[in-house]
Amino acid sequence: DAGVTQSPTHLIKTRGQQVTLRCSPKSGHDTVSWYQQALGQGPQFIFQYYEEEERQRGNFPDRFSGHQFPNYSSELNVNALLLGDSALYLCASSRGQQNEKLFFGSGTQLSVL
Amino acid sequence: GQNIDQPTEMTATEGAIVQINCTYQTSGFNGLFWYQQHAGEAPTFLSYNVLDGLEEKGRFSSFLSRSKGYSYLLLKELQMKDSASYLCAGSDRGSTLGRLYFGRGTQLTVWP
Repeated sequence: DAGVTQSPTHLIKTRGQQVTLRCSPKSGHDTVSWYQQALGQGPQFIFQYYEEEERQRGNFPDRFSGHQFPNYSSELNVNALLLGDSALYLCASSRGQQNEKLFFGSGTQLSVL
Repeated sequence: GQNIDQPTEMTATEGAIVQINCTYQTSGFNGLFWYQQHAGEAPTFLSYNVLDGLEEKGRFSSFLSRSKGYSYLLLKELQMKDSASYLCAGSDRGSTLGRLYFGRGTQLTVWP
């Protein structure tokens, strides 16, 4: 049973570029949440997708957008990259509308130069 | 948000017991999670407390006091592999699933 998988594992971009990160949830899960974790900080909630719609959003600008596909996988897009976007981006999956334990992927380490 | 607060760093020796404290804002609070995160890896679930009291799972226990806005994670018989960051996270009553408010994490170093 595969857990949450994310790709790529590492990515280097330059300021102003755009990036797309991908996530496949754990088998049986239908909800995907994205978090940003800066070095030495806890994860910060970006947004959550359920039934192919964004259900809740954290304090992130519109440069951060996402999508969920019919197979429950998800993408996180970041436009006009800033140096401050350098972080570990974590995807977490869960099932239904239950606020129980999230299963996290290993993340994508994004470096913006 | 939950204004989660926890110490930045702690150290302990192998075989010892360590308690990692966490405080949070009680208004709108629903439940309290603890996650373990090794460097470069995904956070892994340790515990979830909704009711007051202590929940024990092997070497790890977690405690919650809703009235005091306080939780702790207790690690017994420490092993070197327990060196990791321990993340305290709260959920809001009004939030949909998946939205957790994390603290900065407590970096625990276990010495031989």
